[in-house]
This record gives sequence, C-alpha cells and structure tokens, in this order.
Amino acid sequence: AQSVTQLGSHVSVSEGALVLLRCNYSSSVPPYLFWYVQYPNQGLQLLLKYTSAATLVKGINGFEAEFKKSETSFHLTKPSAHMSDAAEYFCAVRNFGNEKLTFGTGTRLTIIP
Amino acid sequence: ETGVTQTPRHLVMGMTNKKSLKCEQHLGHNAMYWYKQSAKKPLELMFVYNFKEQTENNSVPSRFSPECPNSSHLFLHLHTLQPEDSALYLCASSPALQRNGANVLTFGAGSRLTVL
Repeated sequence: AQSVTQLGSHVSVSEGALVLLRCNYSSSVPPYLFWYVQYPNQGLQLLLKYTSAATLVKGINGFEAEFKKSETSFHLTKPSAHMSDAAEYFCAVRNFGNEKLTFGTGTRLTIIP
Repeated sequence: ETGVTQTPRHLVMGMTNKKSLKCEQHLGHNAMYWYKQSAKKPLELMFVYNFKEQTENNSVPSRFSPECPNSSHLFLHLHTLQPEDSALYLCASSPALQRNGANVLTFGAGSRLTVL
C-alpha cells in the first residue's frame, strides 16, 4: 500500500522568507515521488519528481525537494518566497510496479507581503 | 493553455439533467484519466484509459459514465447526479501507462460542476 501525508493544510510565509512544505510517504517498495502545484482556477502542474536518481531534486520556479529514505520524507523548499508562489501544493507517490498515483490532501501556501 | 483542454469550465445542472464533460489532449499521449477534486479531500482517481481501453474504474457510481473514442478524447457523461457530486473534475493524460516508469501526468484546468 502507498499513502501520502502532508502536514499542515495551510502555510503562511512572508515574502522573501523560506518556504517549507512537508510531505511524508509510506511505501513498501522504492517509490516515485512528485510535487504538483495548482494555481487558482487551473489544473495541477508538475513542479518536480524523484525517480531514484539524485536525492536532491530541483524543479521549476526555484523549488527543490530532498528524498530522505530514513525519514520517509520528501519535503518541498524554496529559499525565498515570491508573491507568485501563492497556490495549493500537492505531494504524490507511486510505487515502482504500480500504475496508480496517490495524492496528499494538499497544502495551501499564502505569501504575506 | 496547457496541452489538455477541458470543456465546459463551469457547469450547473439539476439532479435530473444529462450532461457531458469533454477532455481533449494535444500531446500525443495514450493514457487518459478522470479525477474528482473535492474540498479538503485528496484527489480521487475515477477512471483510467490506456490506448482507448478502460483499465481502472475506482468504484465510481454508474451515474458517471466515461467514454474514450480515441487516445486524444475523453468524455464523462453525467446522469441523475446528487448534490454531493459537486466538485472540480480534472482530466489528465500521460504518454502511456507504465508500471516501471515515472508516468508523469499533465492535467487540464478542470470542469467545475455544481449539482442543484
């Protein structure tokens, strides 16, 4: 079985501050891990993905995530928040050998001017 | 505009109406998906098609009826829906279903459905 837990349904950070969105997964086999972003009135857009290559993955818009097997985590970070980062962020997991993608409940990021 | 186009973007219907949602992808993909997005709940996978064949029906009620006439088009036919079916319905596509690949999905903007 596979599942994803996103801690914090809402996160607020000041413009220019560090963004940290948390994602923990459970998986019995090596997983593929993804972060998607959803801007208002839009569909989900892929930010980055982990596919068992480098553990530190760089994505679009200055975001990156680090796969930590010992902590079963795949937290998303960005050094300096921008107003345009305000959106909802979804972590997702797919087990190797399984077609199904399982999403977390999402974290809404608000940027304070 | 993404490579996945959904119409209509907004739909209001009564419980006795029949309507359809349409999805079209221009990416040359062979797998297409319907997801339901409700507030405070994870995205729910509804249906998956791979090369026009349905490979997944995630215990979806029969009032939702999918149709995939070719790899570029996907429909969701709606009949006698309930108010709790109000949600954002997202279509997605990927190159093909892969058990051992990353299988990255590209999403459309969604169709916001309100059932009165």
